Amino acid sequence: DAGVTQSPTHLIKTRGQQVTLRCSPKSGHDTVSWYQQALGQGPQFIFQYYEEEERQRGNFPDRFSGHQFPNYSSELNVNALLLGDSALYLCASSLLAGVVETQYFGPGTRLLVL
Amino acid sequence: QKEVEQDPGPLSVPEGAIVSLNCTYSNSAFQYFMWYRQYSRKGPELLMYTYSSGNKEDGRFTAQVDKSSKYISLFIRDSQPSDSATYLCAMKSGAGSYQLTFGKGTKLSVIP
Repeated sequence: DAGVTQSPTHLIKTRGQQVTLRCSPKSGHDTVSWYQQALGQGPQFIFQYYEEEERQRGNFPDRFSGHQFPNYSSELNVNALLLGDSALYLCASSLLAGVVETQYFGPGTRLLVL
Repeated sequence: QKEVEQDPGPLSVPEGAIVSLNCTYSNSAFQYFMWYRQYSRKGPELLMYTYSSGNKEDGRFTAQVDKSSKYISLFIRDSQPSDSATYLCAMKSGAGSYQLTFGKGTKLSVIP
């Protein structure tokens, strides 16, 4: 049973560029969340996608956008990159069963903005 | 004041010791409490999941939640060098909220 997969593993961009990160959820999961983890910090919630719609958004600017596809996979897009966007970007998938929803994380994409 | 406070450590203990990790929080709406383990350059791995107050045990791990004090703990018995990692507490409020709010993580080293 494959877990959450993310691509690419590492990425280097320059300020002002745009980046797209990809995530495939754990088999059987229908919900994808994205988090940003700066060095030495806990993950910060960016947004969650369910049924191809953004269901909830954290405190991130509109430069951060996403998409979910019919097969439940997801993309995170970041426009006009800033140095402060350098971080580990984590994708988590989950399945809502009753009121219990546990999120399982992928290995992350490490983004460096120069 | 941050919603979730967690001492970043680092915490260093000898093999076989009992480890106590803690988080405090300010948002009384939090109802679901989780502990994740994160090895260097890896994604977080779910260890324990607890709803509301009480204790939950899984092997060498015990999670405690005290909602009256807004305080959660993770105990690791008979700690092993393989337990060396960063431990993140995470919390979620009830229906209608889907985001996890994390602490900064505590870096633990178990010395052989």
